[in-house]
Amino acid sequence: EAQVTQNPRYLITVTGKKLTVTCSQNMNHEYMSWYRQDPGLGLRQIYYSMNVEVTDKGDVPEGYKVSRKEKRNFPLILESPSPNQTSLYFCASVSPGQGGTEAFFGQGTRLTVV
Amino acid sequence: RKEVEQDPGPFNVPEGATVAFNCTYSNSASQSFFWYRQDCRKEPKLLMSVYSSGNEDGRFTAQLNRASQYISLLIRDSKLSDSATYLCAVNRNNQFYFGTGTSLTVIP
Repeated sequence: EAQVTQNPRYLITVTGKKLTVTCSQNMNHEYMSWYRQDPGLGLRQIYYSMNVEVTDKGDVPEGYKVSRKEKRNFPLILESPSPNQTSLYFCASVSPGQGGTEAFFGQGTRLTVV
Repeated sequence: RKEVEQDPGPFNVPEGATVAFNCTYSNSASQSFFWYRQDCRKEPKLLMSVYSSGNEDGRFTAQLNRASQYISLLIRDSKLSDSATYLCAVNRNNQFYFGTGTSLTVIP
């Protein structure tokens, strides 16, 4: 079954304590991305990756890091989380090709930073 | 200017009603177009792609107007299970841009 798996699903942490949200896809997609979703602001892209070892900033990259050492995994790293990073986070994997492009989302990670 | 703009609603409609959502996009180089459905606190899931010729999937019809840069979604004979947030999305060079979503509640 085609899947994008994020972990953890829920996380409450304290300001400044480094955390990593993992994302893994089993569809062999080259393109992956991270979004955060906040009320009234919709889905905003944090970082994306066109392929292994290729990452780039999205619209709201401040305070986040990513890595793409292998095709299936695209972890999101918060080195020093702050309360304004409390949000619902989605990882997405995109199928290639004109006309066949579709974004598949993970189940989301609800992060609270206190 | 936002890449994709939608009326956030909410739209509250009775069962059986027809409801239409519109969405505009700002970049004429956008290549492909979609409607996603998102249930409360869950991930967005693809509802349908949108083509210039228009396309229909059961009670759902999507239209694309490239000249005016807008996308529409029509839901006929609304069901309670249609209650959700509907996100408009455009794709350009594998980059997805999403609207903020339109909330729909179908009332018995």
